[in-house]
Amino acid sequence: AQKITQTQPGMFVQEKEAVTLDCTYDTSDQSYGLFWYKQPSSGEMIFLIYQGSYDEQNATEGRYSLNFQKARKSANLVISASQLGDSAMYFCAMREPNTGFQKLVFGTGTRLLVSP
Amino acid sequence: EAQVTQNPRYLITVTGKKLTVTCSQNMNHEYMSWYRQDPGLGLRQIYYSMNVEVTDKGDVPEGYKVSRKEKRNFPLILESPSPNQTSLYFCASSPQGFSNQPQHFGDGTRLSIL
Repeated sequence: AQKITQTQPGMFVQEKEAVTLDCTYDTSDQSYGLFWYKQPSSGEMIFLIYQGSYDEQNATEGRYSLNFQKARKSANLVISASQLGDSAMYFCAMREPNTGFQKLVFGTGTRLLVSP
Repeated sequence: EAQVTQNPRYLITVTGKKLTVTCSQNMNHEYMSWYRQDPGLGLRQIYYSMNVEVTDKGDVPEGYKVSRKEKRNFPLILESPSPNQTSLYFCASSPQGFSNQPQHFGDGTRLSIL
């Protein structure tokens, strides 16, 4: 079974609009960490935001926020006021105890295209 | 500057010719890992290391070797590369594995095995 599911292969958004990228996860653990990474066309992986399973508040980092719904096992990334430079692949990932937190399990990614 | 450095960034080679991709980090991280990225599959872990002389298999270890003789270095070795190992490879590091530690990635190595 997929541990991390990103159901949107591609998303389009106009500049200055907000966009939500979906991520659902599967774990039986109570303690886990969820991460979002951005991969621009140049290829590097850039860490964006982290949400801990025990965090009561949704994580925010500048224009990025995480809509964390623990009961639904979803951790959607919200990008407010999209910019052209946000065009990239976005990956959701999880770190969990049953792997000793020793790896990130990634989803298949969502490609975001921001148009002028 | 804190970073993970991979070399080479690009390599085209032929089947069976042994190659090594180097990875070095300057953050004194205990944990290091190798991933490969293939279209439609996301990133999959090849090997990881929790500290010097401690390595373990990830999800797709076949055809790869690693070593961790020093804390900062974690090379990936392809003893006899095959075309199905053509991929984008990432090295990553983090402090010892707690759930809240993001992994820091190198810029990637694009390997083409002909």
